[in-house]
Amino acid sequence: DAKTTQPNSMESNEEEPVHLPCNHSTISGTDYIHWYRQLPSQGPEYVIHGLTSNVNNRMASLAIAEDRKSSTLILHRATLRDAAVYYCILLESGGYQKVTFGTGTKLQVIP
Amino acid sequence: GAGVSQSPRYKVAKRGQDVALRCDPISGHVSLFWYQQALGQGPEFLTYFQNEAQLDKSGLPSDRFFAERPEGSVSTLKIQRTQQEDSAVYLCASSLARTGGGYEQYFGPGTRLTVT
Repeated sequence: DAKTTQPNSMESNEEEPVHLPCNHSTISGTDYIHWYRQLPSQGPEYVIHGLTSNVNNRMASLAIAEDRKSSTLILHRATLRDAAVYYCILLESGGYQKVTFGTGTKLQVIP
Repeated sequence: GAGVSQSPRYKVAKRGQDVALRCDPISGHVSLFWYQQALGQGPEFLTYFQNEAQLDKSGLPSDRFFAERPEGSVSTLKIQRTQQEDSAVYLCASSLARTGGGYEQYFGPGTRLTVT
């Protein structure tokens, strides 16, 4: 499985944008980039995914580098409810969706 | 609509006891996954079902762990002769698709197992 690298922790002030980086230098051409987040005492929650183009949904935006070796999850206005561990993972397009989580980035939102 | 549910939410077992953890996936979801999450770590893959077929059990840590999904819907993870190192949160996830990285997984709230 391809690996991803994320900072262990980040801080953001409430109502400011947050950019969460992820490196995936060994990504293959058909790997999708997925982001999940896990709030305390809950199961992981899907946030967004993409393949090559930048993606937007109601929760966040995903910016994918042109060479696809890195991506950034963008939360446009952080709220206290966004405090969570954010996981960047790769899923093969052809195989079943075995997910390999790392330790993710713990986001702290400061009021 | 209803999401993935798991029961019980909390389970305390004495070392050596057998436990059974239940997962109710979203109706119609083909794929079902079990994960184990230790404190402070990301979820670790245990096993995968496509309908009733267990296609990958490479993550099960020992032969004391057994999972089934006999009718392709509800799944049970069974741990025999529990040990302290089995203490963790056990997560279940389901997905609509058989294959393809373009589909997201939906996770349940997890079962926190504590072995004393």
